[in-house]
Amino acid sequence: DAGVIQSPRHEVTEMGQEVTLRCKPISGHNSLFWYRQTMMRGLELLIYFNNNVPIDDSGMPEDRFSAKMPNASFSTLKIQPSEPRDSAVYFCASNPGGAGGNTEAFFGQGTRLTVV
Amino acid sequence: AQSVTQLDSQVPVFEEAPVELRCNYSSSVSVYLFWYVQYPNQGLQLLLKYLSGSTLVESINGFEAEFNKSQTSFHLRKPSVHISDTAEYFCAVNTGFQKLVFGTGTRLLVSP
Repeated sequence: DAGVIQSPRHEVTEMGQEVTLRCKPISGHNSLFWYRQTMMRGLELLIYFNNNVPIDDSGMPEDRFSAKMPNASFSTLKIQPSEPRDSAVYFCASNPGGAGGNTEAFFGQGTRLTVV
Repeated sequence: AQSVTQLDSQVPVFEEAPVELRCNYSSSVSVYLFWYVQYPNQGLQLLLKYLSGSTLVESINGFEAEFNKSQTSFHLRKPSVHISDTAEYFCAVNTGFQKLVFGTGTRLLVSP
């Protein structure tokens, strides 16, 4: 398997523009996570899905952020409108899921977002 | 709610010296514990994990961590580090709902 695939790897956009980040989880994994990493706040969980259903979105910072998982092989994180403080590295991760929490998450390479 | 504390934001060490990266967790229930490593411009990779059984767990590249329930700790150690171990290390806890909570990370800087 190619692992978790994120696109684009880098994104530079102007303030106010819409940004869409994409993620393809590992085939067969039931859980998908979106994290944001910044120097100031470290690694933050934004939202996670189980079997394509959002389970916990309490980490989504504002209504400008939205995430979808239309099927088991694709998820998007959208920011509209984007602001300079959204600049960060956004990671997608997946794990096999199931009950218990005893499986590790597999991370993508991340998308480095810069909002100018 | 569970939380993870990594007290050291940065640990400088000379090559071939031993190192310990500290991790303490807070949880009222049983936990699963993980150490991840992040090399520059890369995603996080699993280094090792504690699920149950032996409290000492090892990775393939010489790291080990010991689960200490009484001290709620899961410190990471290596007896002799290499330049290539320079990276950021994250401790994480999962209490069974698939939601990993990460510490703030410790940057290990190995110099010759």
